Amino acid sequence: DAGITQSPRHKVTETGTPVTLRCHQTENHRYMYWYRQDPGHGLRLIHYSYGVKDTDKGEVSDGYSVSRSKTEDFLLTLESATSSQTSVYFCAIGYGGNTGELFFGEGSRLTVL
Amino acid sequence: KNEVEQSPQNLTAQEGEFITINCSYSVGISALHWLQQHPGGGIVSLFMLSSGKKKHGRLIATINIQEKHSSLHITASHPRDSAVYICAVSWYGGSQGNLIFGKGTKLSVKP
Repeated sequence: DAGITQSPRHKVTETGTPVTLRCHQTENHRYMYWYRQDPGHGLRLIHYSYGVKDTDKGEVSDGYSVSRSKTEDFLLTLESATSSQTSVYFCAIGYGGNTGELFFGEGSRLTVL
Repeated sequence: KNEVEQSPQNLTAQEGEFITINCSYSVGISALHWLQQHPGGGIVSLFMLSSGKKKHGRLIATINIQEKHSSLHITASHPRDSAVYICAVSWYGGSQGNLIFGKGTKLSVKP
């Protein structure tokens, strides 16, 4: 199994507070991704990274920022959390390319009150 | 619009039954992924395929590129197969990792 760790696994916060989710990998994969999963929707890409300090937006990037200062860590930040950002967030890693297999973390459940 | 459609949305089966989950898509793709998600759990990649058929244990995945359709079959189903099965496609023109995901098929296998 690919070594991916997400933290925190569960978090409850209040509207307007900043939140940072961390994804840590031990596999040295170049590509890292943040998705959110909501009832009635498929997984949706928030941001992804294709190398240290190289990131790009996904389908639902508004309200989120990311950073990748080391190969192994990809941080997702909600600068000012809103209730619409209540979701389960998944990190994934991969070799990249449109045929690359993805390996997912266990997910982080975020509740914004 | 939903570019990846799965059917059925929910499926209940008796242990031992043969199960088929379908996935249809409307975009040109370079690969199709089948993923498994257990309740409260993470997501595991089962298959990635771009043509033909793949088999792993009791699981078989097929894809017909011309018809834009894939199926996931489970033979001799078992209660531990109960999970949500998700189809996702890597589409031409999509950025790296920008898969299009189906909404999932929730499978429950009764003993």
